[in-house]
Amino acid sequence: QKEVEQDPGPLSVPEGAIVSLNCTYSNSAFQYFMWYRQYSRKGPELLMYTYSSGNKEDGRFTAQVDKSSKYISLFIRDSQPSDSATYLCAMSPGFLITQGGSEKLVFGKGTKLTVNP
Amino acid sequence: EPEVTQTPSHQVTQMGQEVILRCVPISNHLYFYWYRQILGQKVEFLVSFYNNEISEKSEIFDDQFSVERPDGSNFTLKIRSTKLEDSAMYFCASKRQDTGELFFGEGSRLTVL
Repeated sequence: QKEVEQDPGPLSVPEGAIVSLNCTYSNSAFQYFMWYRQYSRKGPELLMYTYSSGNKEDGRFTAQVDKSSKYISLFIRDSQPSDSATYLCAMSPGFLITQGGSEKLVFGKGTKLTVNP
Repeated sequence: EPEVTQTPSHQVTQMGQEVILRCVPISNHLYFYWYRQILGQKVEFLVSFYNNEISEKSEIFDDQFSVERPDGSNFTLKIRSTKLEDSAMYFCASKRQDTGELFFGEGSRLTVL
């Protein structure tokens, strides 16, 4: 089983739709979970950052982490054409290398989203 | 808003040549990283750097690769003798210490012919 799995899509939705993006993972040591947005040939842009299980909301974006199921989600409400991009999930055991953690972020392959006007 | 900047944006080189990719991390960040993304593939971790030394590296980061912080602002990735398979986007990142958030630069696209 791959360490992080993400459906590559592509996913095409009409403007205003609710979008659900998901990743599953196999490493139970992951504690930090991130969602990045990446436009074509650009760097990943941090959207959401959560620690351990639970929900986090920021504007139209909601991130959910279910560690018991090893499953994370990103929801986009009222999707806009400007949301069209590739969405990458990323996760890490922890950032404190001095405490035996790992700095390494493990990425999913990304889901390509198109929001049609 | 502060950002990570990378140069060059695109470099074309011949196989076997040395390449240096440059990054200016966000000024008050202390942890720095290089990741790469081969076209159509995942973003992959290469190396992390803290307190002027490598703190973690992946199996990709072999003896052909090195990193350096030559002064107070720049962070460089050197590939000693490039191979065709080194063609990729190389991303520099730096970490915000209080939250652990990782911020990426726009990337340097390396094409090895």
